[in-house]
Amino acid sequence: AQSVAQPEDQVNVAEGNPLTVKCTYSVSGNPYLFWYVQYPNRGLQFLLKYITGDNLVKGSYGFEAEFNKSQTSFHLKKPSALVSDSALYFCAVARRALTFGSGTRLQVQP
Amino acid sequence: DAGVTQSPTHLIKTRGQQVTLRCSPKSGHDTVSWYQQALGQGPQFIFQYYEEEERQRGNFPDRFSGHQFPNYSSELNVNALLLGDSALYLCASSTTDRLFTDTQYFGPGTRLTVL
Repeated sequence: AQSVAQPEDQVNVAEGNPLTVKCTYSVSGNPYLFWYVQYPNRGLQFLLKYITGDNLVKGSYGFEAEFNKSQTSFHLKKPSALVSDSALYFCAVARRALTFGSGTRLQVQP
Repeated sequence: DAGVTQSPTHLIKTRGQQVTLRCSPKSGHDTVSWYQQALGQGPQFIFQYYEEEERQRGNFPDRFSGHQFPNYSSELNVNALLLGDSALYLCASSTTDRLFTDTQYFGPGTRLTVL
């Protein structure tokens, strides 16, 4: 069975500071990993994905994620946070089905 | 280019009733997946439709069924509604990909409330 863990329910960061949202996964075989963002009362918006290749994946809105096979992690990062980045972030692993983590709420303070 | 659309936006039903939710995929996409997102949780995979057939199914009872039409649009039907079925139902579309590696694009969802 595949699973995703997002250990932090909420991450608080000041505007302009770097941010990291953590994700670890468990899957047999090659992992296909995704990050999505959800704004209030909205569907999910795709940010980035890792299928194969470079461990550092660049995505939308200045976000990037680092794939670490030995630590089975796929942390989401951004060098400089914006207040508008405040939202709910979901990590997901794909292997026959897309399995999501429980989400991490990012709060960026002005 | 229209993205994924869903209707209705909101729906209120009572226990025991039946409901039908609708989804139109993004242009060029032929695969539709449905997810249930309960309050405060991540989305859970219900099933996926391709070529008008259910291709994959998550851990949901048979009360949840679906359909895909020749134009790739899809319906999700839930029978004998329970209070626990109250959730945001998300539709996602993608191109054909059995391993789900292709990016899924989500609609805004239908908020179902069961009283």
